Amino acid sequence: GAVVSQHPSWVICKSGTSVKIECRSLDFQATTMFWYRQFPKQSLMLMATSNEGSKATYEQGVEKDKFLINHASLTLSTLTVTSAHPEDSSFYICSARKRQVIDSYEQYFGPGTRLTVT
Amino acid sequence: SQELEQSPQSLIVQEGKNLTINCTSSKTLYGLYWYKQKYGEGLIFLMMLQKGGEEKSHEKITAKLDEKKQQSSLHITASQPSHAGIYLCGADSGTYKYIFGTGTRLKVLA
Repeated sequence: GAVVSQHPSWVICKSGTSVKIECRSLDFQATTMFWYRQFPKQSLMLMATSNEGSKATYEQGVEKDKFLINHASLTLSTLTVTSAHPEDSSFYICSARKRQVIDSYEQYFGPGTRLTVT
Repeated sequence: SQELEQSPQSLIVQEGKNLTINCTSSKTLYGLYWYKQKYGEGLIFLMMLQKGGEEKSHEKITAKLDEKKQQSSLHITASQPSHAGIYLCGADSGTYKYIFGTGTRLKVLA
């Protein structure tokens, strides 16, 4: 299998605080993990690509100082939303790509985390 | 940059009817994925297509990728309320990064 978990599944925080979201590959090693954001009635938008042991690559328009990504191990990537504001409220989904699978583009998705900033 | 356009944006059908969702890419697709999602929940993988002209089926859902690998269709036969949700096509952009289509919201009336 290829299971990806996210924690927490939902979180409510106050404006100005920071919140961390974890993404774990449970039964495989992931050299690359991706973070997506989804607003209501919209599609998924890639925020950043996280590679184990190196800095994340952010998509255009995504503030790297606001959305801190750490890929500390081959099974864990974290997204920290710093100084959260109500406009950061969204559904965040991570995905992972298996290690040592050459030319495989398949990604395995986590169940998502709903963030509400009050 | 590559874009994926889905049509229709939304669809309401009577239970038992057939329907088709299209996904059109602005560039050649390296791999095309179909997912189903209920908003606020994760993605459910449906099918992956890689070769031009490829067609795959699972239960009542059939997906095709055209020969030029720029368009894919998802066809549901004899739709059921359980088919309701958001259908997303996704594709590798050639750099292991996915882009997603605009999404199609499907509602099936019992």
